[in-house]
Amino acid sequence: NAGVTQTPKFQVLKTGQSMTLQCAQDMNHEYMSWYRQDPGMGLRLIHYSVGAGITDQGEVPNGYNVSRSTTEDFPLRLLSAAPSQTSVYFCASSYSWGQGTEAFFGQGTRLTVV
Amino acid sequence: LAKTTQPISMDSYEGQEVNITCSHNNIATNDYITWYQQFPSQGPRFIIQGYKTKVTNEVASLFIPADRKSSTLSLPRVSLSDTAVYYCLVAEGTGGFKTIFGAGTRLFVKA
Repeated sequence: NAGVTQTPKFQVLKTGQSMTLQCAQDMNHEYMSWYRQDPGMGLRLIHYSVGAGITDQGEVPNGYNVSRSTTEDFPLRLLSAAPSQTSVYFCASSYSWGQGTEAFFGQGTRLTVV
Repeated sequence: LAKTTQPISMDSYEGQEVNITCSHNNIATNDYITWYQQFPSQGPRFIIQGYKTKVTNEVASLFIPADRKSSTLSLPRVSLSDTAVYYCLVAEGTGGFKTIFGAGTRLFVKA
């Protein structure tokens, strides 16, 4: 049981390049989300999904796309990377959102845009 | 979504009890209070969750007064390994898929 797996762990992009951050969970969780964390700050919600085929925007969705074709995977796509997108990205999943459940986070992807 | 306010940082010594208070004045009826812990270069980890009164698990206790406008995370006898950032979240459920994180409280435990 690997939990939430994010790849890659580190990435350097040039401005204008596109790429996809991968997130996979093996816990059969319905709910998944993407956050970014800038130095010394808390996490900000980018996009989230409540099930396969269903996604919605969070606080800071501009410049990012998501899709959820399967329960297990929730990739985050950067359309045209900008230096302002330099951050650590975390993916999270949970099987529900009610009392007693908890969210599981991946180890993060550290992205640098030059 | 309810906004939370926490101290930016706290210092403690090994073996002491640490209490971190979070204010959430506009908490909604359906909202739960959840605390997460984050170590450097790692994702947040769930610590404890509650709705009202007191909740205790093997790691911490959570105290919630009757008006639910604040909550206190209590860490008994902290060790150096408890040095981390602690986040208080208020959301319908535990969040993780639709949750707003604040800046958190940086706890430094000294020997």
